[in-house]
Amino acid sequence: SQELEQSPQSLIVQEGKNLTINCTSSKTLYGLYWYKQKYGEGLIFLMMLQKGGEEKSHEKITAKLDEKKQQSSLHITASQPSHAGIYLCGADDYSGGSNYKLTFGKGTLLTVNP
Amino acid sequence: GAGVSQTPSNKVTEKGKYVELRCDPISGHTALYWYRQSLGQGPEFLIYFQGTGAADDSGLPNDRFFAVRPEGSVSTLKIQRTERGDSAVYLCASSLSRDYNEQFFGPGTRLTVL
Repeated sequence: SQELEQSPQSLIVQEGKNLTINCTSSKTLYGLYWYKQKYGEGLIFLMMLQKGGEEKSHEKITAKLDEKKQQSSLHITASQPSHAGIYLCGADDYSGGSNYKLTFGKGTLLTVNP
Repeated sequence: GAGVSQTPSNKVTEKGKYVELRCDPISGHTALYWYRQSLGQGPEFLIYFQGTGAADDSGLPNDRFFAVRPEGSVSTLKIQRTERGDSAVYLCASSLSRDYNEQFFGPGTRLTVL
């Protein structure tokens, strides 16, 4: 089965600073999903990446998938307290023929100090 | 409602008791998923429904766990003879279909087994 490693495990930044969260897979990624989770809430879908070299942006968040499709990064520009939460990367287990089953990393806890 | 809803939001039970957790997916979504999230971990896949049938229940930890979706909409996750190790947040997600894998998550049910 696929394993996803996220780094760092936690991150504390000052408001206004940029930051990057990484997600590395043990296998080729066919679909890579980024979600955000706040305590007591469900996962909020951020972005999905499928093609090598693909990059998507939404507001101040940019996600990239490397050419080899084994690593993704999530970059936040000029962070705000509203960005605080747990960021999770998830991947399709497509190699097993089950593209509906998502495998998740353990998450990165982001704290943004005002 | 517009999103996935789950009830109850919190459930405290005693070891050995039976519990039912309910998920109401987004209207029109044929695919429904249950995940379990332990503290400090990412969600782990439990079961996937396409319509009324459980297409993949390979993530259910043992035969104490069972889920149904009799009319292809609401789903119930049932846990018999609960154990302390069952304590976790149980997340439900739905997507338009198996082939459209943007999964929308509910807020989860936090189960505590004393």
